[in-house]
Amino acid sequence: EVQLLESGGGLVQPGGSLRLSCAASGFTFSSYAMSWVRQAPGKGLEWVSGISSNGGSTYYADSVKGRFTISRDSSKNTLHLQMNSLRAEDTAVYYCAKTNKYTSGPLDYWGQGTLVTVSS
Amino acid sequence: QSVLTQPPSASGTPGQRVSISCSGSGSNIGSNPVNWYQQLPGTAPKLLIYSDNQRPSGVPDRFSGSRAGTSASLAINGLQSEDEGDYYCAAWDASLSGVVFGGGTKLTVL
Repeated sequence: EVQLLESGGGLVQPGGSLRLSCAASGFTFSSYAMSWVRQAPGKGLEWVSGISSNGGSTYYADSVKGRFTISRDSSKNTLHLQMNSLRAEDTAVYYCAKTNKYTSGPLDYWGQGTLVTVSS
Repeated sequence: QSVLTQPPSASGTPGQRVSISCSGSGSNIGSNPVNWYQQLPGTAPKLLIYSDNQRPSGVPDRFSGSRAGTSASLAINGLQSEDEGDYYCAAWDASLSGVVFGGGTKLTVL
């Protein structure tokens, strides 16, 4: 059974940093691209970032480019999102999602999400 | 403002057929397959339709999808109360090099 468990969310001040993690199990982690998708309170889904199966290619939404960094550790089956220079508008539930193969592919499994709140 | 355009709401009575549209451009829907996600209240999104019209295992055949030109559509036949929730279309955008979502459609079963 595919499982994705996010962690690392919390309250952070504007300008601060946070590192999210997503522990994956139930599939061959190194064979699939992964993505982060966020949802601000009461709002729709926004794709944040994606990474290829071998980590060699990374992609970012314009809203986070230069501030967020996606990475993966296949030895630990873990996906990360390093978030720097956080802003109030980054407040959201962040979901980790597995693709069916490539970064451009459908997100076939999702975690339950971790809440990030940026506020002073 | 979302790259893909969906109606903010849709509704129907039990047993009815409901359709939700999704409009994009040549760099996304016009050149890449569309995926649809269902988000029931208080839960994480779930893949409902992929590659325009394919259903993942476990998704009832009441749900179907189609794509033509720069638009796509999700149809739900035999509407049920448990279908109430939010529905999102999404596609890869070649110009942005990223996934773009529609703003979501809130489906109400009357």
